[in-house]
Amino acid sequence: TAGITQAPTSQILAAGRSMTLRCTQDMRHNAMYWYRQDLGLGLRLIHYSNTAGTTGKGEVPDGYSVSRANTDDFPLTLASAVPSQTSVYFCASSPYWDGDQPQHFGDGTRLSIL
Amino acid sequence: AQSVAQPEDQVNVAEGNPLTVKCTYSVSGNPYLFWYVQYPNRGLQFLLKYITGDNLVKGSYGFEAEFNKSQTSFHLKKPSALVSDSALYFCAVRDGGYGNNRLAFGKGNQVVVIP
Repeated sequence: TAGITQAPTSQILAAGRSMTLRCTQDMRHNAMYWYRQDLGLGLRLIHYSNTAGTTGKGEVPDGYSVSRANTDDFPLTLASAVPSQTSVYFCASSPYWDGDQPQHFGDGTRLSIL
Repeated sequence: AQSVAQPEDQVNVAEGNPLTVKCTYSVSGNPYLFWYVQYPNRGLQFLLKYITGDNLVKGSYGFEAEFNKSQTSFHLKKPSALVSDSALYFCAVRDGGYGNNRLAFGKGNQVVVIP
């Protein structure tokens, strides 16, 4: 089934360690996004990519980095994890950056930083 | 900047009764409005959207929403709730101007349908 694949599905990580969350889509969407979901706060945008080769900062970018080497992949890296980064992370995509089509979401990565 | 308010943390409704989940928004330009549903341990699934045209929008699984510009609201409704509708519901808005697809999400409403 076409869609977004995120890996791993869950992870426990020691504080100070680095981690890359993987996201792959097979819909040939131009735009991709990373969100974090925290109870009572909804979803907050971390980073986004308009198209392959370009990225931008969202609402809560500190402590995270992204790259977009090709259309399909949009990895999110935590260089040195801290407990406040414990969250559920969702990758999403949409056909175009400024169109009216909804974003499609993966099933998330549940990350605990100890 | 755009924002969404979902004033209720949880909505409880008996099976077969009408379901309403409230959403109000703030945006500087024309609003593009979306409703998503999230089931446990899953990502968000798109239900419906309002971009332009008829204020009453029909979506998946029997849901509909009414856009009210004067009240800046976009409430989600279903005439007869099912137990399987129990989930977390998110309203989202973006400015419909060119060059922006940054969605602002509400905090979500937990819907509990009681058998």
